Amino acid sequence: DIQMTQSPASLSASLEEIVTITCQASQNIGNWLAWYQQKPGKSPQLLIYGTTSLADGVPSRFSGSRSGTQYSLKISRLQVEDIGIYYCQQASSTPPTFGGGTKLELK
Amino acid sequence: QVTLKESGPGMLQPSKTLSLTCSFSGFSLSTSGMVVSWIRQPSGKSLEWLAAIDWDGDKYYNPSLKSRLTVSKDTSNTQVFLKITSVDIADTATYYCARRQLGGFDYWGQGVMVTVSS
Repeated sequence: DIQMTQSPASLSASLEEIVTITCQASQNIGNWLAWYQQKPGKSPQLLIYGTTSLADGVPSRFSGSRSGTQYSLKISRLQVEDIGIYYCQQASSTPPTFGGGTKLELK
Repeated sequence: QVTLKESGPGMLQPSKTLSLTCSFSGFSLSTSGMVVSWIRQPSGKSLEWLAAIDWDGDKYYNPSLKSRLTVSKDTSNTQVFLKITSVDIADTATYYCARRQLGGFDYWGQGVMVTVSS
């Protein structure tokens, strides 16, 4: 299985701050990378697919990028509603695998 | 409007078989390219993909659990089922079904919590 290593595991940031979460794939997955946001007691919500494409309805302050096998999710100006846990997921091969998650909190 | 909803027993005893149902609307599993997956999440932990079935009836399983899993769908293509045999405490989790599109899971059910306990 492809391992997805997310960092940091937790992050505390201020409103309007730029936030970056990274995900390292254990092997080449091309652009087959998705990001999700999960709020307490809720199902995960797709934010980004194909490394850089925003899912429907996702604010433009979210963006994704790639450098080799390292993937990043950037929130350009943190808002209150962005608080939650973020997961990356590789869609390159079966089984799809998820990162361990990054818990984003307000400072 | 795409919706998915999971249903299951809530609680069952170790060694029993867990049966889950995913009922969905707003899309048809007979449409080319459609895939419905099962994913679970133990409390406070990350997500684990379990199995999937596609529009053509092809089935996919997580190798780590394959011997215990069976995924199927109904003939009307509006429900997907998952059976997990010989459950134990480690199978306690919230179970989600989700539609796979665009290289990601774009619609998820609300999840059903399953507790394995004697």
